[in-house]
Amino acid sequence: SQQGEEDPQALSIQEGENATMNCSYKTSINNLQWYRQNSGRGLVHLILIRSNEREKHSGRLRVTLDTSKKSSSLLITASRAADTASYFCATAFNNDMRFGAGTRLTVKP
Amino acid sequence: GAVVSQHPSRVICKSGTSVKIECRSLDFQATTMFWYRQFPKQSLMLMATSNEGSKATYEQGVEKDKFLINHASLTLSTLTVTSAHPEDSSFYICSARGTTGTNSPLHFGNGTRLTVT
Repeated sequence: SQQGEEDPQALSIQEGENATMNCSYKTSINNLQWYRQNSGRGLVHLILIRSNEREKHSGRLRVTLDTSKKSSSLLITASRAADTASYFCATAFNNDMRFGAGTRLTVKP
Repeated sequence: GAVVSQHPSRVICKSGTSVKIECRSLDFQATTMFWYRQFPKQSLMLMATSNEGSKATYEQGVEKDKFLINHASLTLSTLTVTSAHPEDSSFYICSARGTTGTNSPLHFGNGTRLTVT
């Protein structure tokens, strides 16, 4: 079963704009991870943030985690058309990994 | 980076036949592999978790006799869809985690598009 809820379900922006996606979850976690999926392909790991971390950066990606609110956000800055994909958050606890419903991001050139 | 190879990428089979999907970790040892099913424009639904050398743990509602999972080595897990029916048509994805445990990312195969006619 799925763990988290993501919003928005779909997001459409212009190239150069920032994209923010949110993820909420319900249970305890060891870490939270964000993945990207191009249509009809597997998922690619983007970034992992541990439960004792609050913010993490990787290139144009910025992830925050608020364990008190059980929520995380993924910010993609200066978006590009190639960022068009579905983005999923996933919560990890012990040997279990659960994915959110995903956000479909469209970046228009 | 860590690579997971999933084969075949596409398969079409007739109703009643069985289909085997392979998931291999090419450059790392995968103590745990996960099998997911994904419907169009939806998230990944975890089907089962398999640990090398032990029986897979199936999620509620997943028939273990229909979806046979074998994780015989640290680099290979297989999912066999037995007596496939049209409703089994879906996108199946495997992922693997290395020996470093929960705080390591999952590495995904590119998925298998199964169509049962």
